[in-house]
Amino acid sequence: EVQLVQSGAEVKKPGESLKISCKGSGHSFTNYWIAWVRQRPGKGLEWMGIIYPGDSDTRYSPSFQGQVTISADKSINTAYLQWSSLKASDTAMYYCARPRTEWELRTFQHWGQGTLVTVSS
Amino acid sequence: QSVLTQPPSASGTPGQSVTISCSGNTSNIGSNSVNWYQQLPGTAPKLLIYSDNRRPSGVPDRFSGSKSGTSASLAISGLQSEDEADYYCESWDDSLSGPWVFGGGTKLTVL
Repeated sequence: EVQLVQSGAEVKKPGESLKISCKGSGHSFTNYWIAWVRQRPGKGLEWMGIIYPGDSDTRYSPSFQGQVTISADKSINTAYLQWSSLKASDTAMYYCARPRTEWELRTFQHWGQGTLVTVSS
Repeated sequence: QSVLTQPPSASGTPGQSVTISCSGNTSNIGSNSVNWYQQLPGTAPKLLIYSDNRRPSGVPDRFSGSKSGTSASLAISGLQSEDEADYYCESWDDSLSGPWVFGGGTKLTVL
């Protein structure tokens, strides 16, 4: 069974750094893209970017380029999303997701449970 | 402002049929396939329809998708209370807006 298990909820102050994780199991982690999706409270879904753990090829949505860093450690089947300086506007639920097939960069069939990030002074 | 336009809300009574629209342009829906996701309250999104009209294994055939030109639709027949959720369309965008674009979501209420 394919599973994506995300790290737990975080409460941070503005200006702090943060790295959240998404650990995959039940599939060949290096062969599938992993994407990150933001959902602000009461709002819709926003694609942030995507990484191919096999070679760390990373693509960002224009709105998130330079705002976050996506990385992966294929030795432990884990993808990461990190911020160097959080803002209150980063408060959101963050999901990782995997496509349906190895060759797709979209059509996300498998999702993590979400990580709630709260940024407040 | 989402690149793909969906009505913010829709509603129906049990047993009825409901259709949710998703409007785009030639850079996205007009030249790429559409996926639909269902998000039940407090849960992660679930892939409902992919490649315009295909259902993943386990999705009831009450759910169907279609596309014409730069618009797509999700139809739900035999509405059930458990269908109450947010529904999002998604496509690939060939312009600078992309590459992935979502609709703003439609909240479906089962009366």
